[in-house]
Amino acid sequence: AQKVTQAQTEISVVEKEDVTLDCVYETRDTTYYLFWYKQPPSGELVFLIRRNSFDEQNEISGRYSWNFQKSTSSFNFTITASQVVDSAVYFCALSPFEGGSSNTGKLIFGQGTTLQVKP
Amino acid sequence: EAQVTQNPRYLITVTGKKLTVTCSQNMNHEYMSWYRQDPGLGLRQIYYSMNVEVTDKGDVPEGYKVSRKEKRNFPLILESPSPNQTSLYFCASRRESSYNEQFFGPGTRLTVL
Repeated sequence: AQKVTQAQTEISVVEKEDVTLDCVYETRDTTYYLFWYKQPPSGELVFLIRRNSFDEQNEISGRYSWNFQKSTSSFNFTITASQVVDSAVYFCALSPFEGGSSNTGKLIFGQGTTLQVKP
Repeated sequence: EAQVTQNPRYLITVTGKKLTVTCSQNMNHEYMSWYRQDPGLGLRQIYYSMNVEVTDKGDVPEGYKVSRKEKRNFPLILESPSPNQTSLYFCASRRESSYNEQFFGPGTRLTVL
């Protein structure tokens, strides 16, 4: 079974605090992709990052960083020095790659973590 | 501008009244899909299409229909909506060889009374 679990339903922090959003996934596929999306109060889905299963390098983009660990099937997301504009629902997603023309590219989403950053 | 558009953005309707939510993309993407978002459940795939005239069920297809007569359009049809279909709906598209990265539409918030 393929599954993504975001155990933290809601997180509340004060501005400038660091916060980590957890994501644990399950898959038997050897090739897959992991994603993070942000959903601000306006409702649209904003793509943040894609990682393939063969690339375990951590990535940093400004205040955002991602920690991918295949050994623990986790793909955690850290926001450093959080800001009020970071308040949103964050989704982690898994997309198995079936190969060739049969690859549906389906995204399997976690339940989402609502992050509230207070001023 | 490359985009996925959905219409309407908001819709309130009554049980049993057929409705269609349109989805259109201008990127010549082969793959399109529909998801619904519900609290505590994240997004779940309803239907997807690998190309024109090729559609298949996702995880929660009951009560929905789709069609793919043209590459750019992928409408979602609710023949007899029920209150449990009240949800936020997203259309998405991607190129066949795009590392599974999908472009999402702005969402359609549907309320069925």
